[in-house]
Amino acid sequence: DQQVKQNSPSLSVQEGRISILNCDYTNSMFDYFLWYKKYPAEGPTFLISISSIKDKNEDGRFTVFLNKSAKHLSLHIVPSQPGDSAVYFCAAITGTASKLTFGTGTRLQVTL
Amino acid sequence: EAQVTQNPRYLITVTGKKLTVTCSQNMNHEYMSWYRQDPGLGLRQIYYSMNVEVTDKGDVPEGYKVSRKEKRNFPLILESPSPNQTSLYFCASSLARTGLSSYNEQFFGPGTRLTVL
Repeated sequence: DQQVKQNSPSLSVQEGRISILNCDYTNSMFDYFLWYKKYPAEGPTFLISISSIKDKNEDGRFTVFLNKSAKHLSLHIVPSQPGDSAVYFCAAITGTASKLTFGTGTRLQVTL
Repeated sequence: EAQVTQNPRYLITVTGKKLTVTCSQNMNHEYMSWYRQDPGLGLRQIYYSMNVEVTDKGDVPEGYKVSRKEKRNFPLILESPSPNQTSLYFCASSLARTGLSSYNEQFFGPGTRLTVL
């Protein structure tokens, strides 16, 4: 039972344009969400997070939006750069849990 | 340099031959965890440890063992590996949970690619 889903396995975006990565979840108890970025042959690295009490969090070129009623979050990257090409994982956690639940990942390719 | 190290990085073995993947962190983190990454399934947690001598099962613990005798090390043990344990494994660590935002500082190792024939 996949509680966190990323329905797009891959995404290709032109440099300078906006990249939008989507994530859906089923567990209404999740109250904190994170995005990780992963390059080949490296471990995931934390990118940005959002608490369920917010609907938006921004950090430079990266913005995460949360729609609790739709159980949906998205990561916007503006403008996209070739160095953003990586696999992006969303993850979620409940306040009482001790583990992250990860999505399946979306491979982003930013083309010149 | 703050880091999580894993060894070996690559391993090919045969069914039933016991193996250990080591994980070490130099950040004095209390929380450590093991994940496996498989195509179409993302990262799934195998085991985690909140502190020395405290370990607990994650989502997919079957066929694995862990130990946490010292704070810095968290080895993953496969007593009798099987082909379905062929995967990419990641160790991670973070400070003790003082709030959900502590997960922002979860550091991952570079991964161990295991193939069980």
